[in-house]
Amino acid sequence: SQTIHQWPATLVQPVGSPLSLECTVEGTSNPNLYWYRQAAGRGLQLLFYSVGIGQISSEVPQNLSASRPQDRQFILSSKKLLLSDSGFYLCAWTSSGNTIYFGEGSWLTVV
Amino acid sequence: GEDVEQSLFLSVREGDSSVINCTYTDSSSTYLYWYKQEPGAGLQLLTYIFSNMDMKQDQRLTVLLNKKDKHLSLRIADTQTGDSAIYFCAEMRSYIPTFGRGTSLIVHP
Repeated sequence: SQTIHQWPATLVQPVGSPLSLECTVEGTSNPNLYWYRQAAGRGLQLLFYSVGIGQISSEVPQNLSASRPQDRQFILSSKKLLLSDSGFYLCAWTSSGNTIYFGEGSWLTVV
Repeated sequence: GEDVEQSLFLSVREGDSSVINCTYTDSSSTYLYWYKQEPGAGLQLLTYIFSNMDMKQDQRLTVLLNKKDKHLSLRIADTQTGDSAIYFCAEMRSYIPTFGRGTSLIVHP
């Protein structure tokens, strides 16, 4: 069966520090992968998506970047965090395009 | 602005039915979804409906789709306190899932 893992679950980072959130999917191949952010009191904002290794599409210009070094691995990064980067980050995947599965989420607090 | 619209809050009494409504904009969306998010957790898929269907029922959940009006609803029968959560409507356009802002369902005794 397919599973998705996302880590770390929570982290507190100082302003200006780097960030790396990792997401891996098991049990499927060539999935579409997504990073969403959910700020307090708001819906889900699509940050990046990827339809294949090395293929990254950015939905909004910001302080973050994404990479897909392997078929089932999706990484969200920042070189220097801002206070406004705080939020709940969710990784998701689809394979046949009809069902979207989410990871457990990562709580980021920038202080 | 948001392409998928939902009301932000719904309050119901335990045992009553809850109806959460959603409007979407892309008539070519192939699938429409309902997700549930409990506090501090990720999104859990509740149900989805293919665009050529009008209704789908799964135990206490009923999804109605009106393609003409681009309106989707989720009915929860016999609402329980454990149903308190945020419910997200989503549409799949090509391979991009787009979500509404979520409806907070509050169930009180």
